[in-house]
Amino acid sequence: QVQLQESGPGLVKPSQTLSLTCTVSGGSISSGDYYWSWIRQPPGKGLEWIGYIYYSGSTYYNPSLKSRVTISVDTSKNQFSLKLSSVTAADTAVYYCARVVVVPAAAVYYFDYWGQGTLVTVSS
Amino acid sequence: SYELTQPPSVSVSPGQTARITCSGDALPKQYAYWYQQKPGQAPVLVIYKDSERPSGIPERFSGSSSGTTVTLTISGVQAEDEADYYCQSADSSGTYPLVFGTGTKVTVL
Repeated sequence: QVQLQESGPGLVKPSQTLSLTCTVSGGSISSGDYYWSWIRQPPGKGLEWIGYIYYSGSTYYNPSLKSRVTISVDTSKNQFSLKLSSVTAADTAVYYCARVVVVPAAAVYYFDYWGQGTLVTVSS
Repeated sequence: SYELTQPPSVSVSPGQTARITCSGDALPKQYAYWYQQKPGQAPVLVIYKDSERPSGIPERFSGSSSGTTVTLTISGVQAEDEADYYCQSADSSGTYPLVFGTGTKVTVL
């Protein structure tokens, strides 16, 4: 059973960079069978996909966030990470990491395992 | 950007059938997926590829597709089904491969 766990600061100051890490257990990021993603959910609002990464380091970001997002992977630690720059109060949200099933030739993209989520508040 | 539109809320009595719709221009060409999210919890996949049910998901959850609308049906609704439900799909160009619907709150009366 795959498990994902987010970690990182719960409070970030405006204009700074938000940094989170997702640790994967019960499966290897390096297997190459899946992609790995970040999703966020502002309090009381809906879900927003941020981006995903493959074990090779190949990434794809939501075009609406692309200019501020960097996702990286550390296969030796079975972790992947999120950096979101120049944050504002609008970036306050629960941030989830998740495993993504991606089969481009079949137009298949969906999340099958999620972490429990971590609340990040942007405030001075 | 690409949008998937859901009704904000659906109310249903126990034992009745709840139907949640999701509309989007690319749905005739793209698969849809459905997630259930209970308060304080991460979303859980309940339907994939329009109508397939993951292992462990009760048979009362089913999905269907017709044109630009997909539907999640919960037959014989139980109190434990009260939750937010989100559809997810992709746009036709591939620019937005993972887009969530606006979400629907299902209330069991």
